[in-house]
Amino acid sequence: TQLLEQSPQFLSIQEGENLTVYCNSSSVFSSLQWYRQEPGEGPVLLVTVVTGGEVKKLKRLTFQFGDARKDSSLHITAAQPGDTGLYLCAGEGNSGGSNYKLTFGKGTLLTVNP
Amino acid sequence: GAGVSQSPSNKVTEKGKDVELRCDPISGHTALYWYRQSLGQGLEFLIYFQGNSAPDKSGLPSDRFSAERTGGSVSTLTIQRTQQEDSAVYLCASSLVWGQPQHFGDGTRLSIL
Repeated sequence: TQLLEQSPQFLSIQEGENLTVYCNSSSVFSSLQWYRQEPGEGPVLLVTVVTGGEVKKLKRLTFQFGDARKDSSLHITAAQPGDTGLYLCAGEGNSGGSNYKLTFGKGTLLTVNP
Repeated sequence: GAGVSQSPSNKVTEKGKDVELRCDPISGHTALYWYRQSLGQGLEFLIYFQGNSAPDKSGLPSDRFSAERTGGSVSTLTIQRTQQEDSAVYLCASSLVWGQPQHFGDGTRLSIL
């Protein structure tokens, strides 16, 4: 069974601060996705990283996939109240025939205070 | 429609009753997924449909859970003889084909009294 551990589970910061969320596993994933979920809504895909060592930037968000494709991080620069939400990482399987299954972490609940 | 539509958005029922949850995927999407999101537990895969192929039911937690997808479009998740531990948000997602990005609905919040 492939598991993804996210940390921290909760994070409360002030507007303008930087933060990093981590997603770790002992398993290798063919790709890793990051989602953001707001209360009462479904998760919305932010980015997919595929190549080991890959770095993707989305405005103030920087996503990194570990060289061994077992871990990932999300860094937010100068956080804003609009960044508040539940951030989920999800790994796509690396075993043939079940690659459509996403394994989700439990999420990091981020609160950015004005 | 423009996105994945789920109904009802909220469902409160008594323990022991049966419930049906509906998912309308994005038009043209052949892959459909059901997940369960419990408080503090993240998303748990339940079942996957791809076109006319046999569904992958490996994530269903018990035989009280079943799902069908009629005509390759709308899907219904049925929970029989509901238990309190079934209380959760049930999320549906669809994608063009497997391996493509999944688009989620807003979920059905199920509460078992």
